[in-house]
Amino acid sequence: KQEVTQIPAALSVPEGENLVLNCSFTDSAIYNLQWFRQDPGKGLTSLLLIQSSQREQTSGRLNASLDKSSGRSTLYIAASQPGDSATYLCAVPGAGSYQLTFGKGTKLSVIP
Amino acid sequence: DTAVSQTPKYLVTQMGNDKSIKCEQNLGHDTMYWYKQDSKKFLKIMFSYNNKELIINETVPNRFSPKSPDKAHLNLHINSLELGDSAVYFCASSQEGAHGYTFGSGTRLTVV
Repeated sequence: KQEVTQIPAALSVPEGENLVLNCSFTDSAIYNLQWFRQDPGKGLTSLLLIQSSQREQTSGRLNASLDKSSGRSTLYIAASQPGDSATYLCAVPGAGSYQLTFGKGTKLSVIP
Repeated sequence: DTAVSQTPKYLVTQMGNDKSIKCEQNLGHDTMYWYKQDSKKFLKIMFSYNNKELIINETVPNRFSPKSPDKAHLNLHINSLELGDSAVYFCASSQEGAHGYTFGSGTRLTVV
């Protein structure tokens, strides 16, 4: 059964710092990996989708990498801003499965 | 706007009542889901429908019954509501293949 772990559970950084969020998964037979952002009391916003054949994806100040063989992904946020404060969730579908398995998220606070 | 939309956004109801949450997607996706986010913010799959057929039914009380009248709609009916049903319920959709998921903005259910 797929399990997804996110480290750290919470992170507080001063504005302007670069930071890395980590995600690991137990079953490497995945189609893709998706990073989401959730603001308090809000829904999930998709940030980046990495296909299993890709190594990384970039969108603005965000860069996500995927090492499928080792079961790891990282989300790199450059020049963090207070508006980046949110919970970041990593999710993977299993092979042959429609089911998305989520990590418990990393709660990021960017201090002005 | 292309999106996954669910109604209502908020639902407060008394124990024992029956309620429904509606979800619609206009993305042309084949598969729709219901996820539950509990008080610890952990997201877990409840149901998945592919082209109106149930393909995932996780261990969920049979008081919860999904209904998919067509592939663009997936509604969730809950009978005899209990305090423990209080959570945020998210609808999502995806297209078969290595494409990402799109989530609705959630329905916050509070049972009093």
